[in-house]
Amino acid sequence: SQQGEEDPQALSIQEGENATMNCSYKTSINNLQWYRQNSGRGLVHLILIRSNEREKHSGRLRVTLDTSKKSSSLLITASRAADTASYFCAQFQGAQKLVFGQGTRLTINP
Amino acid sequence: GAVVSQHPSRVICKSGTSVKIECRSLDFQATTMFWYRQFPKQSLMLMATSNEGSKATYEQGVEKDKFLINHASLTLSTLTVTSAHPEDSSFYICSAARRVNTEAFFGQGTRLTVV
Repeated sequence: SQQGEEDPQALSIQEGENATMNCSYKTSINNLQWYRQNSGRGLVHLILIRSNEREKHSGRLRVTLDTSKKSSSLLITASRAADTASYFCAQFQGAQKLVFGQGTRLTINP
Repeated sequence: GAVVSQHPSRVICKSGTSVKIECRSLDFQATTMFWYRQFPKQSLMLMATSNEGSKATYEQGVEKDKFLINHASLTLSTLTVTSAHPEDSSFYICSAARRVNTEAFFGQGTRLTVV
C-alpha cells in the first residue's frame, strides 16, 4: 500500500545544477523521511522532518514540509555525479507501517 | 550510526525449496522491523511489519504461510520464503527502527533468484 506519490518520476540534470523532488502523501503524519537508493542496493536514510517543522537542512540537502498541502520537497544543491540514485519519501501509516512513495530516479550528467 | 545487516546478499535456489533471509540490527535494539519486496525500477512494497516477541502483521495480498517472519529478539528478524517458485524471485529488503515513528535503517537487500 503506497502512501503517496512523488514527482517527477525521473529527473536528469547537469552536474552542478540543483535537483528538486516532490512528495505528496495522503494521511496525517508525525514525520516524513527521505531515503536514497543506489541501483540494486539498500536504502540510505537521508533526513527526517517532523510534522511541526517546515524546513530542515543537512549538508547539500534541504527538505521542506507543508502539512496543509500534505507535501514535501527534497532539494539537492550543487549536484554531483555521485548523487545519481533513486530518492524516496516515506511515512508511517497508522503509526505502524512505514510506506514509500513511488520514488524519483535522478540522473546527474557530468 | 545505526547499522542493519542483511544476509545473504544474493541467493539462488531451486524451485520448491525454502530460503531464509536474516536481518540484524548491529548497534541498536529494534522493536520494529519491516520487510519489503522491490521489483526492478519500482518502489518498495511493504510485505509485513514485525514487532519483537509478537506475530508479524502482513499486508493484504501477502501470504503469511509462504513468507514466514520471525522477530525473535530485538536485534534479529528473519524472513523465510517457503516452497519458493520463480515468481518469488525479487529483491527483498529489511529495515529496522528503534520504535515506530522514528528513523528506519535498511539492510543491503537480498537478491533472490528461484530457478
